[in-house]
Amino acid sequence: EADIYQTPRYLVIGTGKKITLECSQTMGHDKMYWYQQDPGMELHLIHYSYGVNSTEKGDLSSESTVSRIRTEHFPLTLESARPSHTSQYLCASSELASGSINEQFFGPGTRLTVL
Amino acid sequence: LAKTTQPISMDSYEGQEVNITCSHNNIATNDYITWYQQFPSQGPRFIIQGYKTKVTNEVASLFIPADRKSSTLSLPRVSLSDTAVYYCLVGDDNTDKLIFGTGTRLQVFP
Repeated sequence: EADIYQTPRYLVIGTGKKITLECSQTMGHDKMYWYQQDPGMELHLIHYSYGVNSTEKGDLSSESTVSRIRTEHFPLTLESARPSHTSQYLCASSELASGSINEQFFGPGTRLTVL
Repeated sequence: LAKTTQPISMDSYEGQEVNITCSHNNIATNDYITWYQQFPSQGPRFIIQGYKTKVTNEVASLFIPADRKSSTLSLPRVSLSDTAVYYCLVGDDNTDKLIFGTGTRLQVFP
């Protein structure tokens, strides 16, 4: 079944640790996105990609980095986690544009807590 | 990207029809109007999209007047499970980035 997956779902780590949040989709979508959302607040786009070897920064400045080596995989990395990185991280994907706004399919999210 | 304005919150009771209006005065000719739903601790989920007049699917209807400066999401006979945040977004096929805004928090009571 075509879907979008994120692991881990929950992560609690100490300050200074390097972490990678995984995102994979089996829908063959070219576009992928990372959003950051604090509880009860709006989503902020932090990274997106048009396809393999394409990465762009979003509207919200983030200390994280992303890579897109394979179409289906779009991991997000924090080299040195800090308490200010505590948030929910949502991954999404969509097809390339075809006139209207393409529907974005979201993963379940990773809730990160940095102590 | 056109800016959208929605009510921060709405309350309703089970079985009622809920209409959430979104204002987008600066909508461009090529822009479409899209609505997403988000439950707590989950990613948003696409509900409906339209360009003009009326669009209906199995979960909602979208009403767009001729000037397209606003739109109304209509949820017929809501249930407790419709309690969620609803986001209105506008953009066209050049829209790489969706601006979700704060959305409308709908609370459905028994």
